[in-house]
Amino acid sequence: GEDVEQSLFLSVREGDSSVINCTYTDSSSTYLYWYKQEPGAGLQLLTYIFSNMDMKQDQRLTVLLNKKDKHLSLRIADTQTGDSAIYFCAEKGTNNDMRFGAGTRLTVKP
Amino acid sequence: KAGVTQTPRYLIKTRGQQVTLSCSPISGHRSVSWYQQTPGQGLQFLFEYFSETQRNKGNFPGRFSGRQFSNSRSEMNVSTLELGDSALYLCASSLVQGVETQYFGPGTRLLVL
Repeated sequence: GEDVEQSLFLSVREGDSSVINCTYTDSSSTYLYWYKQEPGAGLQLLTYIFSNMDMKQDQRLTVLLNKKDKHLSLRIADTQTGDSAIYFCAEKGTNNDMRFGAGTRLTVKP
Repeated sequence: KAGVTQTPRYLIKTRGQQVTLSCSPISGHRSVSWYQQTPGQGLQFLFEYFSETQRNKGNFPGRFSGRQFSNSRSEMNVSTLELGDSALYLCASSLVQGVETQYFGPGTRLLVL
């Protein structure tokens, strides 16, 4: 089973912001990641954050990390229909093993 | 630069058979990791290879094994297939071991009948 938890579904309207949340359990995780998976494809790395940071911004993507609560979020500004996909949160532990959440299916309505 | 390639893309096997999947990393990448993705268990880490050595292993039975060649290409083998081995097997490569940027291939979808 997963140690990383995410809500399974999120639906937003085109142009709105999307916020996908994730909680993890390993306080010693070194890196935290967000991946995107489109139908029939592998995972695409969207962004990552070092565990000693609390925020990272990359164009339309903003990652927030709250280490105290072990909470990670991904905000997508001006969400487009092309952003519809499954988004995975993942953590890398100190022994370099990767643990993934179950994925959040984002649906963007026109 | 070509991405991570995996062959074959689709495979059908029967219980008890064995299967070998192949992964070619991005040119210059020396680390290859394998993952199993199923609807029930999600994405689970299988193992990571770097410089032809297994550096890290997930919690899978010994029926799952792998190897890496001197050109960094990797193969994964599953022996005595079970129905529950039906999954999408993903390979990811990165420049060196443990670095944050992993690039994933499209996966091999295995169906065990």
